[in-house]
Amino acid sequence: NAGVTQTPKFQVLKTGQSMTLQCAQDMNHNSMYWYRQDPGMGLRLIYYSASEGTTDKGEVPNGYNVSRLNKREFSLRLESAAPSQTSVYFCASSGQGVFGYTFGSGTRLTVV
Amino acid sequence: GENVEQHPSTLSVQEGDSAVIKCTYSDSASNYFPWYKQELGKRPQLIIDIRSNVGEKKDQRIAVTLNKTAKHFSLHITETQPEDSAVYFCAASKRYSSASKIIFGSGTRLSIRP
Repeated sequence: NAGVTQTPKFQVLKTGQSMTLQCAQDMNHNSMYWYRQDPGMGLRLIYYSASEGTTDKGEVPNGYNVSRLNKREFSLRLESAAPSQTSVYFCASSGQGVFGYTFGSGTRLTVV
Repeated sequence: GENVEQHPSTLSVQEGDSAVIKCTYSDSASNYFPWYKQELGKRPQLIIDIRSNVGEKKDQRIAVTLNKTAKHFSLHITETQPEDSAVYFCAASKRYSSASKIIFGSGTRLSIRP
């Protein structure tokens, strides 16, 4: 009953450091997504993966890379973190015939 | 691409009164419109959704309406209760057999006054 699991829950980075946010789902969903949430701006799509082996850019992809490692896992990488990437990051998934998303619990990232 | 506008950004209503949140979308090909509720520090959770072949949908105290011609959709909460206090997001997507790339509005912070 885990649903969508994100790690870590909190992270502080220095400008220029790199890190990877991990996301895994156990619902056999085909599609996975990464969003960032900033105050007053809602949730903005960074990248998504319609199915294993495919990835596509969303609304705000600059500064990020993704990897769909297998059907369960979809990671988000920041190669050189910037203060503008301070945000809460949510991973989500959806399956065939399942219209809505299931969200993970989020990662609060601060870049100083 | 799709753009979703949401109003108001904040809304305060007396407990027991109704609350209405309105959204517009830009892409006439969008066919799926979910609403998410996010409590403080929590993840967004789907509370109701509507597809483009339906004009209205109701679930207990919550209802959504869709006007495809005007590209408007709204969330109505009746008999509001303290636990309705949260941020609500509308969203739109073109849902086909592959990924439903959902675009969200900027959110409405709803506060219920006792």
